[in-house]
Amino acid sequence: GQNIDQPTEMTATEGAIVQINCTYQTSGFNGLFWYQQHAGEAPTFLSYNVLDGLEEKGRFSSFLSRSKGYSYLLMKELQMKDSASYLCAAMDSNYQLIWGAGTKLIIKP
Amino acid sequence: IAGITQAPTSQILAAGRRMTLRCTQDMRHNAMYWYRQDLGLGLRLIHYSNTAGTTGKGEVPDGYSVSRANTDDFPLTLASAVPSQTSVYFCASSESGNPNQPQHFGDGTRLSIL
Repeated sequence: GQNIDQPTEMTATEGAIVQINCTYQTSGFNGLFWYQQHAGEAPTFLSYNVLDGLEEKGRFSSFLSRSKGYSYLLMKELQMKDSASYLCAAMDSNYQLIWGAGTKLIIKP
Repeated sequence: IAGITQAPTSQILAAGRRMTLRCTQDMRHNAMYWYRQDLGLGLRLIHYSNTAGTTGKGEVPDGYSVSRANTDDFPLTLASAVPSQTSVYFCASSESGNPNQPQHFGDGTRLSIL
């Protein structure tokens, strides 16, 4: 079957660095997405990886290893506004997104 | 402001009633999607449409129907609501179904079936 695993909850300190891991198993693979979702709001797109390696976008970076079925979202210089859920989603061979349940990130001052 | 509009924002509905959730986008995106989001679970695809005039079933289509008469609108209908359909429903769109084009989401409809 198809499956996405990511931690349920993480806590980090303002100004610090945090890494949110995601492992995936899908029928075929057409890329890995990360979305941010603040409580009560819609998910918003953060990053897309289809090739192995690190993609950097400001304070956020995303890494992919296709051979290991593994990705992570790295967030630097954490701000209070980064408190949100982070959703990992893999695109399968039918171009449909398979979503993880999300990682709730709590930022403490 | 361009984007996706969902209506209603929230609704309480008696079981057995028929309900249509509306979704309109003004980005001229070809692909549109309906998801439900339940606590502790990932977003689950209900139905999708790759282009106007076509629709397809997602992971959890039972009890739901959709239509795509034009590019902008993608309504989701619950023919006879049941309590297990209590959820937050998100409509999304993308330029096409191609992998490198992210999906953009509406603000969601919070639906409670009693």
